[in-house]
Amino acid sequence: DTGVSQDPRHKITKRGQNVTFRCDPISEHNRLYWYRQTLGQGPEFLTYFQNEAQLEKSRLLSDRFSAERPKGSFSTLEIQRTEQGDSAMYLCASSPRQGATGELFFGEGSRLTVL
Amino acid sequence: AQTVTQSQPEMSVQEAETVTLSCTYDTSENNYYLFWYKQPPSRQMILVIRQEAYKQQNATENRFSVNFQKAAKSFSLKISDSQLGDTAMYFCAFMKQTSNTGKLIFGQGTTLQVKP
Repeated sequence: DTGVSQDPRHKITKRGQNVTFRCDPISEHNRLYWYRQTLGQGPEFLTYFQNEAQLEKSRLLSDRFSAERPKGSFSTLEIQRTEQGDSAMYLCASSPRQGATGELFFGEGSRLTVL
Repeated sequence: AQTVTQSQPEMSVQEAETVTLSCTYDTSENNYYLFWYKQPPSRQMILVIRQEAYKQQNATENRFSVNFQKAAKSFSLKISDSQLGDTAMYFCAFMKQTSNTGKLIFGQGTTLQVKP
């Protein structure tokens, strides 16, 4: 399967701990997105990369959150000093270079539970 | 700022019947795209159908069609001949045509249950 993969699929952590999620996009896609989805809600945009450059960040992305895409391939999303309000599904998506068509290819998500 | 509203948190339909999911949006943009995405239980979200705002003709993809009313800022999804595999959460989404990032604004979602 050459779709978007995310790891881990589930993470349970205690408040105050740091967590990191990884996303491997479809190989020929240069655009990569992180979204957050809380229970019963639609995905909310967090950040966007074009190749290795982080070009847009949402106000939702507090200073405890950091995302990287060091070689323009996989990406990581780190949350420091987790809070219970960080509990959510973190979705990664990618899209190809040619134009912004709105078709995003999503991974299955990484579900975070902060106790 | 753009907003997308889905006022039906849950819906159900009998297999083989037709169901319509509602979506309204608010924007001051004239050129934009609208989408319906499907998120099956424990599966990744996939694109169902896409509509360009400058096109008057409603988009159709097999059993899925939309009713796009630009003046009313309404964008509903009709699923014909519903199948058990259509059971999923459905999200309406908006994107500015001038967007360089391809960022989508999603509604809250509608959970659709197709009953045998």
